[in-house]
Amino acid sequence: QQQVKQSPQSLIVQKGGISIINCAYENTAFDYFPWYQQFPGKGPALLIAIRPDVSEKKEGRFTISFNKSAKQFSLHIMDSQPGDSATYFCAASTRIRGSTLGRLYFGRGTQLTVWP
Amino acid sequence: NAGVTQTPKFRILKIGQSMTLQCTQDMNHNYMYWYRQDPGMGLKLIYYSVGAGITDKGEVPNGYNVSRSTTEDFPLRLELAAPSQTSVYFCASRGATGAQPQHFGDGTRLSIL
Repeated sequence: QQQVKQSPQSLIVQKGGISIINCAYENTAFDYFPWYQQFPGKGPALLIAIRPDVSEKKEGRFTISFNKSAKQFSLHIMDSQPGDSATYFCAASTRIRGSTLGRLYFGRGTQLTVWP
Repeated sequence: NAGVTQTPKFRILKIGQSMTLQCTQDMNHNYMYWYRQDPGMGLKLIYYSVGAGITDKGEVPNGYNVSRSTTEDFPLRLELAAPSQTSVYFCASRGATGAQPQHFGDGTRLSIL
């Protein structure tokens, strides 16, 4: 059972456009929602993250929108650039044994291609 | 800082062979993780560790074993390689306090033939 559902599987956007990737979850125990960016041949790297007590977080061209009641969150990439072409993973984290361990459950990924 | 280092980068195994995937981190992180990544499936947690001498199973532990004798190292062992274990394996580590991100290595691409 996929704990975090991500869509679309692939996305093609023109340079300067807006890229939007959506994720949904069911487990209300999730308390941390990061997005990871992965380039070919590399490991994922944290891009931006949000906690459920805020509805939006912005860092440069990247924004997370969070809807707690709908159990959905999305990544918006404004003014998309060819260098943004990568695979993006949403994830959700919950505590283990009451600690801050943060075990991550990943979505299946979105392959973003930005055409120049 | 090297961060999280995984070796080897690539490996081909025959069915039934065994091998150890190495992972070491130089950030003094207590928490370490092993994931596998299959096309279109995201990353699945295999095993994790909260510190030296303490390990626990993740979502897909069957066919794998781990040990954590030091803070820096967290090797993953495949005892009897099977084609279903063909995948890209990622090791990650994380600090113990707050909402710190997981830092990933660059992966080991493993093929079982």
